[in-house]
Amino acid sequence: EIWLTQSPATLSLSPGDRATLSCRASQSVSSFLAWYQQKPGQAPRLLIYGASNRATGIPARFSGSGSGTDFTLTISSLEPEDYALYYCQERFTGWTFGQGTKVEVK
Amino acid sequence: EVQLLESGGDLVQPGGSLRLSCAASGFTFGIYTMAWVRQAPGMGLEWVSAINLGGRTFYADSVQGRFIISKDSSDNTLYLQMNSLRAEDTAVYYCAKEGGHTLPFDSWGQGTLVTVSS
Repeated sequence: EIWLTQSPATLSLSPGDRATLSCRASQSVSSFLAWYQQKPGQAPRLLIYGASNRATGIPARFSGSGSGTDFTLTISSLEPEDYALYYCQERFTGWTFGQGTKVEVK
Repeated sequence: EVQLLESGGDLVQPGGSLRLSCAASGFTFGIYTMAWVRQAPGMGLEWVSAINLGGRTFYADSVQGRFIISKDSSDNTLYLQMNSLRAEDTAVYYCAKEGGHTLPFDSWGQGTLVTVSS
């Protein structure tokens, strides 16, 4: 079973800042890594698939990188609507989620 | 437009059973892997179960032997039969659609709340 560890647990940033979120897998998941955004009271929304591909309708300020065991989600310049929870998920051996990173207003 | 509408969530006593449904529309239901993902209050996302286009089923260790996933492609509905429910099964249960083979979930329902308590 693959474990995903996300860091940091909480990221406190101001609007316009660059956000860098990390997801580390316990073993290689190749590029089968996705990122989701979840706002309070809402279902998750797919942001990134295949480690670096933006899903339909996702703004260009969101980007993903990495392969193997280390992955990064970058938000180049935080907009007010980007404050949310972010989860990574592997699709290499199953459907495991990371524990999430909360991006909050500093 | 893809739509997933869950129903069946309720308050149930420990040891009880419940069946969740997810009505799907806007896509060819039978050719996609479908899944259930849950979120306990204040907690993260936990994958629960999945069923692929051939009907093969997959379960998280936490529900193996207690939950049964199934689908009816004739009326585009996904089900989750939950038996021997425990307090730790309390969560919002989401129905989710994969985007394709080994692709992540590209569509989600709004969720249905299951509360297990005496």
